[in-house]
Amino acid sequence: QVTLKESGPVLVKPTETLTLTCTVSGLSLTNTRVGVGWIRQPPGKALEWLAHLFSEEEKEKSYITSLRNRLTISRDTSTGQVVLTMSNMEPGDTGTYYCVRVRDILEPFDSWGQGTLVTVSS
Amino acid sequence: DTQMTQSPSTLSASVGDRVTITCRASQSVNRWLAWYQQKPGKAPKLLIYEASNLETGVSSRFSGSGSGTEFTLAISSLQSDDIATYYCQQYNDFWTFGQGTKVEIK
Repeated sequence: QVTLKESGPVLVKPTETLTLTCTVSGLSLTNTRVGVGWIRQPPGKALEWLAHLFSEEEKEKSYITSLRNRLTISRDTSTGQVVLTMSNMEPGDTGTYYCVRVRDILEPFDSWGQGTLVTVSS
Repeated sequence: DTQMTQSPSTLSASVGDRVTITCRASQSVNRWLAWYQQKPGKAPKLLIYEASNLETGVSSRFSGSGSGTEFTLAISSLQSDDIATYYCQQYNDFWTFGQGTKVEIK
């Protein structure tokens, strides 16, 4: 059974960089086409895909166009973790951040972490 | 980018009613369309994929239909446990979600 768990700060200040970690269990990140992605959800609002990766090669990473210059996704196969950084945080980035298993490009998300709420405030 | 629009935004129905939610895509997504159920404070749960395929373990009261740009999620007999917000998601061109439909008991 695949489990994903997000971790990171509860509170960040405007202009700071957010670093979130997704720890994956029950699945090896070294397996071919095993992907992990990040989704966010502002309070009371809809879900938004942010980024995903299948490997450390840049061609295997993708980002939402509107946030491309603020996001970086990476992974550490030795620890089974995928890290998302988002720079220059602002109050509008407040929300719950989820990591998800990405089985392939033409696939929905069948496994989700529990989510972690991040508040951006001074 | 493919935009997804759901209607209605809120739906109020009685236990036992058949309810339907519509999702429209700004361009064809073929049948690469999923539906999720999200209860308060919880992560979304995949209900249907490829427009009409029921995810393992999901109640057969849920069904999906459609292709191209118009899709429907139906709940055949609404139960109190179905109270949640439902999202459609296209995965033909990366992934985008609809704005959600909140289902309430009348």
